[in-house]
Amino acid sequence: QQQVKQSPQSLIVQKGGISIINCAYENTAFDYFPWYQQFPGKGPALLIAIRPDVSEKKEGRFTISFNKSAKQFSLHIMDSQPGDSATYFCAASPLNNNDMRFGAGTRLTVKP
Amino acid sequence: DGGITQSPKYLFRKEGQNVTLSCEQNLNHDAMYWYRQDPGQGLRLIYYSQIVNDFQKGDIAEGYSVSREKKESFPLTVTSAQKNPTAFYLCATKREAGAYNEQFFGPGTRLTVL
Repeated sequence: QQQVKQSPQSLIVQKGGISIINCAYENTAFDYFPWYQQFPGKGPALLIAIRPDVSEKKEGRFTISFNKSAKQFSLHIMDSQPGDSATYFCAASPLNNNDMRFGAGTRLTVKP
Repeated sequence: DGGITQSPKYLFRKEGQNVTLSCEQNLNHDAMYWYRQDPGQGLRLIYYSQIVNDFQKGDIAEGYSVSREKKESFPLTVTSAQKNPTAFYLCATKREAGAYNEQFFGPGTRLTVL
């Protein structure tokens, strides 16, 4: 069963635009929400993560927005660049637990 | 150079053969994980280990086996019982077994069954 639903599957954005990827989860025990960036043929790299005691976390051009009541969280990439073209995965996990659940991924293409 | 090393990068297997994928880390992390990645799907957990000589099954352990004889090493064997082994395999680590679930991934091994 898919415990973390990610959308869209693919996204095309013009250079300088905002990329938005959304995730929804079901398990209320989840309280750690990371985003990973993966380039073709490489392992995923941790990009940014949030815990539910805050509604937003920003690191450079990357921002996570978190809505606990709706059980949704999203990744915003500001001023998107061609180098951001990659697959992005959201994930969710109970805080001190090995049970990490991943979304299916979003393939982002940023056109120059 | 610290990090997670997976070898080989590409692996080809004939049907009926067992193959072993290597994962080594020099981060001194306690926990190690194996995931499988298929196109269009998220990562699925095969096995994980929190301490030496102990490991637990994940969601898709059938047809796979692991060992954790050393803290630095967590090899994965894909056995002939795994019916559809062609996939990208990822090893990950976490600093402490009881810490929040911040996992770091290796570069992956692509396994193809001929």
